[in-house]
Amino acid sequence: QTVVTQEASFSVSPGGTVTLTCGLSSGSVSSGYYPSWYQQTPGQAPRTLIYSTNTRSSGVPDRFSGSILGNKAALTITGAQADDESDYYCVLYMGSGISVFGGGTKLTVL
Amino acid sequence: EVQLVESGGGLIQPGGSLRLSCAASGFTVSSDYMSWVRQAPGKGLEWVSVIYSGGSTYYADSVKGRFTISRDMSKNTVYFRMNSLRAEDTAVYYCARGIRWDYFDYWGQGTLVTVSS
Repeated sequence: QTVVTQEASFSVSPGGTVTLTCGLSSGSVSSGYYPSWYQQTPGQAPRTLIYSTNTRSSGVPDRFSGSILGNKAALTITGAQADDESDYYCVLYMGSGISVFGGGTKLTVL
Repeated sequence: EVQLVESGGGLIQPGGSLRLSCAASGFTVSSDYMSWVRQAPGKGLEWVSVIYSGGSTYYADSVKGRFTISRDMSKNTVYFRMNSLRAEDTAVYYCARGIRWDYFDYWGQGTLVTVSS
């Protein structure tokens, strides 16, 4: 069974840039997996950030960007702010109707 | 304005059944892709099921054969029938919409299902 991998945790300084990644336990992530990214703060529903690798969802600031870096999907946050401190999840579409979430990355801004 | 409101969660004994509802407004559930995503306490998000605009349904292996997704176009509501519930099904269940099959653009606030004796 293929597992979607993410860093368990990451930290960034206010104003800094951070890149979170989303990989596969076996194989490479390409745009054909339609990677999407979601932000979640404790007790809240997820918020959609990026879909189809690099398309920002409505209302998402351009500080958030998506890409493919090497064999992984990536979410880059530039000019990190205190309220970016959240859990970030990627999703890969595996085909045949199946989507799989990564385990999530806990981002700390300090 | 798109809104999704889940209901139907609660405390249920192992082996029991429950039906969740997701009432939609601002769009038509039969035109889009409606999913259920769950989150166990202190854990990450897990996709569990989707119903396509054309009516096809898909499930994660963890719930296949036990859970059923459906929709009622007259009520603009999506349902999630959960049978043979187990302790590991304890989670907040979110309803999510997608205008395509590969991502979710709107989310409900979730409903908590607790499976315990």
